[in-house]
Amino acid sequence: GAVVSQHPSWVICKSGTSVKIECRSLDFQATTMFWYRQFPKQSLMLMATSNEGSKATYEQGVEKDKFLINHASLTLSTLTVTSAHPEDSSFYICSASQGVEEPQHFGDGTRLSIL
Amino acid sequence: QKEVEQNSGPLSVPEGAIASLNCTYSDRGSQSFFWYRQYSGKSPELIMFIYSNGDKEDGRFTAQLNKASQYVSLLIRDSQPSDSATYLCAGGGSQGNLIFGKGTKLSVKP
Repeated sequence: GAVVSQHPSWVICKSGTSVKIECRSLDFQATTMFWYRQFPKQSLMLMATSNEGSKATYEQGVEKDKFLINHASLTLSTLTVTSAHPEDSSFYICSASQGVEEPQHFGDGTRLSIL
Repeated sequence: QKEVEQNSGPLSVPEGAIASLNCTYSDRGSQSFFWYRQYSGKSPELIMFIYSNGDKEDGRFTAQLNKASQYVSLLIRDSQPSDSATYLCAGGGSQGNLIFGKGTKLSVKP
């Protein structure tokens, strides 16, 4: 149980392209979904927290106009990296939770490479 | 600022030994604690969670929580080379988020 599906696994695209990443909880309803970014050999960095039907809460330093988050249902959240540039290349990982003090279950991550 | 502290390692143990991973946290309001394993290039995988003081065992893994000392640990018995990974400790935040430590890199030598 507690499976989170994240697509796509890999994206390679040209600078200026917008990229959408999907995160789905397959066998549970996720009250909250989280988006992280991780650069090589560095720690997980929380980008934003989203609750179904509400605007996402972004961490300090994360541009909300660049990283658009939509949490349309209790099982789906999307992250759109708008007008991506090489410095946005990273490993993006989503997670989903059923509530406060509950575990977060992670998707397999999306490796984004902007040329 | 709420923090979770871990020794970054690397912690090196021989195959078959007990690996002991430790973590301290600053937020006394945290009620739940989690251990995740992250292989290089992969996303974190939940290993164990613990809510109450004391020990919780699951197979070769034992999580220990001491709320008075604000201390969480993970013991891995009969360590295998496949256990080599970075282990992330996390505490539950009041907003439903998790406060992650930076992780301890474990290396199990055959």
